[in-house]
Amino acid sequence: AQSVTQPDIHITVSEGASLELRCNYSYGATPYLFWYVQSPGQGLQLLLKYFSGDTLVQGIKGFEAEFKRSQSSFNLRKPSVHWSDAAEYFCAALVQGAQKLVFGQGTRLTINP
Amino acid sequence: ETGVTQSPTHLIKTRGQQVTLRCSSQSGHNTVSWYQQALGQGPQFIFQYYREEENGRGNFPPRFSGLQFPNYSSELNVNALELDDSALYLCASSPSTNIQYFGAGTRLSVL
Repeated sequence: AQSVTQPDIHITVSEGASLELRCNYSYGATPYLFWYVQSPGQGLQLLLKYFSGDTLVQGIKGFEAEFKRSQSSFNLRKPSVHWSDAAEYFCAALVQGAQKLVFGQGTRLTINP
Repeated sequence: ETGVTQSPTHLIKTRGQQVTLRCSSQSGHNTVSWYQQALGQGPQFIFQYYREEENGRGNFPPRFSGLQFPNYSSELNVNALELDDSALYLCASSPSTNIQYFGAGTRLSVL
C-alpha cells in the first residue's frame, strides 16, 4: 500500500542547533513530495515541494529537503533552528494524476532555549 | 496566509446531530479537498471537488458528503455525528491537483 512514514514522533533540539526530520515513502513510482508545518491550533503551511529535477530543494523559513530515490527518502533539514520553529511537521506524498495527499503521522519539534 | 478561509473556527455538537462546515477557496483555485485530522495524527483525505463534481473520495462513509459551488467555495456535511468524528477538519484549495493550500481548519467536538 502507498504510505508515508515519519519514524520520529518527537524530536527536541537546542536553539541554534541543526535539524533533520526523516521521511520515507513507499510507492511504486516516485510521487510528488511535500513538507508542511503546523503550529498549534493552526492549519498546514507548505514549506517546500519536490516534483522532479534537482534533488535538493529549498523552501521557506530557511528549510531545505533532499530527495534520495535509492533510499525512498525526503528528509527535511535546517542548519540552525529558531524557537519559532517549534511546531508539528508533516511529510506528504501525491501520486501524479491522483487527488489525495497521503500524510505521515507527523514529527513534533520542541526547541530548547 | 493562503487565502483559504474556513468557518466556523470551532464547533460543538452532540452525537446524532448534523453539521455543515464551510470553505472559501483561494481566488482562481477550482479544486477543493477536505481532510480530517484526528488528535495526534496526520490528515486523512475525505474527498475532493473539481468544478463542482466529486473527483475522488477517501475511506469515509456516505454520511460524509460535500458540495462545491460555482464560485468554487465548498461545504462539508456530516450526518449522524459520532464521537469519533471529533477532529480538526481541513480544507485545501489548488489551481491544479498538485499543490494544495490549506485553511486554518474547523475544530469539531462531538459530545
